[in-house]
Amino acid sequence: GAVVSQHPSWVICKSGTSVKIECRSLDFQATTMFWYRQFPKQSLMLMATSNEGSKATYEQGVEKDKFLINHASLTLSTLTVTSAHPEDSSFYICSARDDGGNTEAFFGQGTRLTVV
Amino acid sequence: QKEVEQDPGPLSVPEGAIVSLNCTYSNSAFQYFMWYRQYSRKGPELLMYTYSSGNKEDGRFTAQVDKSSKYISLFIRDSQPSDSATYLCAMSESSNTGKLIFGQGTTLQVKP
Repeated sequence: GAVVSQHPSWVICKSGTSVKIECRSLDFQATTMFWYRQFPKQSLMLMATSNEGSKATYEQGVEKDKFLINHASLTLSTLTVTSAHPEDSSFYICSARDDGGNTEAFFGQGTRLTVV
Repeated sequence: QKEVEQDPGPLSVPEGAIVSLNCTYSNSAFQYFMWYRQYSRKGPELLMYTYSSGNKEDGRFTAQVDKSSKYISLFIRDSQPSDSATYLCAMSESSNTGKLIFGQGTTLQVKP
């Protein structure tokens, strides 16, 4: 199957700093990518839909100024958590859908963010 | 009420048992139903994908969708210790399977 790579796999940062997470589709093009957040023992919650060349669409309750999304190319989307706080500590996962017409969306391996 | 309800478990079964995992949902507009497997600290991996009502079988896995009852199931036959993971159901109103509504996930442990 197609491969989606996330980087870094884990990161620890201090409160108030910003962290950038990358999501890459390695062997297909993805006009649309999706960012999810998963708290321990909870489900994945969609945060936003990332669209190449245009603004991201955020789900209700997600602060667009705090979670900056940039989708500059057909294979890369980035999520920047700005002014991170301990409550932002979570598992962030991206998924990407192959523009080639497959219905399946492939998930990255996730990034565990810990804010101290 | 959550859109998708899934018992978090944990569910513990002996090796070789038949496992039944279930989700209920409230949104009648859901048309696409998926089951994902997630190992600890990893991203979800798609197991089964079903459109509308009916059954789908793939090896030891069988997915069932009953839209009239808003109920979906995943059956695992001859369960193996390597099946131990969290199983997430997910649903979508459209074939845009990137925008999914997930259940909470059921943690399964298959004991040797």
